[in-house]
Amino acid sequence: SQQGEEDPQALSIQEGENATMNCSYKTSINNLQWYRQNSGRGLVHLILIRSNEREKHSGRLRVTLDTSKKSSSLLITASRAADTASYFCATDQSGGSYIPTFGRGTSLIVHP
Amino acid sequence: DGGITQSPKYLFRKEGQNVTLSCEQNLNHDAMYWYRQDPGQGLRLIYYSQIVNDFQKGDIAEGYSVSREKKESFPLTVTSAQKNPTAFYLCASSIANVQETQYFGPGTRLLVL
Repeated sequence: SQQGEEDPQALSIQEGENATMNCSYKTSINNLQWYRQNSGRGLVHLILIRSNEREKHSGRLRVTLDTSKKSSSLLITASRAADTASYFCATDQSGGSYIPTFGRGTSLIVHP
Repeated sequence: DGGITQSPKYLFRKEGQNVTLSCEQNLNHDAMYWYRQDPGQGLRLIYYSQIVNDFQKGDIAEGYSVSREKKESFPLTVTSAQKNPTAFYLCASSIANVQETQYFGPGTRLLVL
């Protein structure tokens, strides 16, 4: 069953612009993770944010978590053509198993 | 080099044939997972294993089988009972029973002849 859902499904921007994608989920979570997938490749972990955290940074990435709204956002600042990929959020369920559930992803295209 | 490998990169299956996808990790992780990804879709969990000689069904286990005889290896067999096997298959590993990062292999694309 799908726990996290990303929005928008697709995003097209110019190099240098910021990219924001959102993830909504249905039930309480222990943590939320963002992954990146280049076309035809495996997923690469970007960042993990725990339910008691509100914001986390990693280089050009900024993740926020609003547990009251059951949503998270991933911001990529000063995007580059190399950021072109699909981005997935993964959540696990508080009190449940530790198996993360993935959304359908946001496809980001950054034009040079 | 630590990591997780999958082979082959591409696999072709004939009607009625069973095929096995390989997944090996040298990260000393207890937990391993198999996911299926269809075009434009997220990942759906097929099977997972949190310890050697034990595995659990995921959301879409029908038509698939696994074994976990060694900590490093978690092969997936796509049986003839799986009527729509064409997809991208991803293997992952992680520390078991901890809400931590999953490490993914490069994937195997399965096509039906």
